[in-house]
Amino acid sequence: DIQMTQSPSSLSASVGDRVTITCRASQSISSYLNWYQQKPGKAPKLLIYAASSLQSGVPSRFSGSGSGTDFTLTISSLQPEDFATYYCQQSYSTPQTFGQGTRLEIK
Amino acid sequence: QVQLVQSGAEVKKPGASVKVSCKASGYTFTSYGISWVRQAPGQGLEWMGWISAYNGNTNYAQKLQGRVTMTTDTSTSTAYMELRSLRSDDTAVYYCARDLGQLEPGTNDYWGQGTLVTVSS
Repeated sequence: DIQMTQSPSSLSASVGDRVTITCRASQSISSYLNWYQQKPGKAPKLLIYAASSLQSGVPSRFSGSGSGTDFTLTISSLQPEDFATYYCQQSYSTPQTFGQGTRLEIK
Repeated sequence: QVQLVQSGAEVKKPGASVKVSCKASGYTFTSYGISWVRQAPGQGLEWMGWISAYNGNTNYAQKLQGRVTMTTDTSTSTAYMELRSLRSDDTAVYYCARDLGQLEPGTNDYWGQGTLVTVSS
């Protein structure tokens, strides 16, 4: 199975900050990398697919980059509604696997 | 608009089975797949498997092989996930998600609201 490792596991930031979350795969997954946002008690929401493509309806302050084994999710200017947990997921091979999550908290 | 509506919460005893439904609307059901993902309390996301709504092909997580069955009813645009021989560590919220992969697992773009399955004696 491909292991996905996110860093950091948690992060405190302020409204307006620029934030970057990293995801590393245990082997090359090309660009088969998705990012999801999850708020407490809610289903995950797709933000970025294929490493850098913005899902329809997602604000442009979210962006993704990377290929191979190293990927990043960047939020250019944090908004109050962005405080949530973020997961990366590889869809390169089955079983699809998720990172352990990054909890983004208000400083 | 795309919607996936799941069945309600379940409480089961160890050793029992549970079957969760996921009714899709707002898109052509057979043009996509359905993935199932679960989340134990306070934990991360775990991929359980995928089914093609086009041809019924499945791909299950190895750890669940033999205990899980995913099916679809194209006449009602509904997907089902049955998990047997339940254990306490199967307690989780179970999500269905539309999968962009019609013929193989891909990206999940729309998700159901989740179904809490509690396994307790």
